[in-house]
Amino acid sequence: AQSVTQLGSHVSVSEGALVLLRCNYSSSVPPYLFWYVQYPNQGLQLLLKYTSAATLVKGINGFEAEFKKSETSFHLTKPSAHMSDAAEYFCAVLSGNTPLVFGKGTRLSVIA
Amino acid sequence: KAGVTQTPRYLIKTRGQQVTLSCSPISGHRSVSWYQQTPGQGLQFLFEYFSETQRNKGNFPGRFSGRQFSNSRSEMNVSTLELGDSALYLCASSIDRGRRSETQYFGPGTRLLVL
Repeated sequence: AQSVTQLGSHVSVSEGALVLLRCNYSSSVPPYLFWYVQYPNQGLQLLLKYTSAATLVKGINGFEAEFKKSETSFHLTKPSAHMSDAAEYFCAVLSGNTPLVFGKGTRLSVIA
Repeated sequence: KAGVTQTPRYLIKTRGQQVTLSCSPISGHRSVSWYQQTPGQGLQFLFEYFSETQRNKGNFPGRFSGRQFSNSRSEMNVSTLELGDSALYLCASSIDRGRRSETQYFGPGTRLLVL
């Protein structure tokens, strides 16, 4: 069965600093991978997804993620954090015929 | 295009009652999935519907049920509510042309509080 591990339930960065949110997955078949963002009192919004085309995926709001099969990772990065990036971020994996499986989430705080 | 809408947005019930939540998918989307989000368990899959048929079900007791109508709108029902059912219930829709990689678009959720 597939699973997702997000390292760090809370990450704090200074405004303008690099954002790095870690995601490792487990899947017995080639997966599809997603990053979603959730702002307070809202649903989830797709940031980007990996569908076996390019390993470096660019998403909205300046975020990108790189699929590394050898490391079973799909870390999310953004070169320069903005106050508006403060939110909860979820990594998710889809493989085979099983439904989307989410990680526990990482809450990102951005300090002025 | 309007996004996924969920009603009601907030709900307070007492133990033992039942509740019905509604989800209207994005126009043209045929697949609807439901998730439960709690601080302790995170996001957990409840069920998925496609063309009025349940296609997948998560590991939840039979008190949780759902259905999908011919216009793709979906409802989920929880009977005999327990305190632990307090959660944010999220609905997501996808166009579903048969590709597994299709994006699920989420609604704002219904926040259920059971007292």
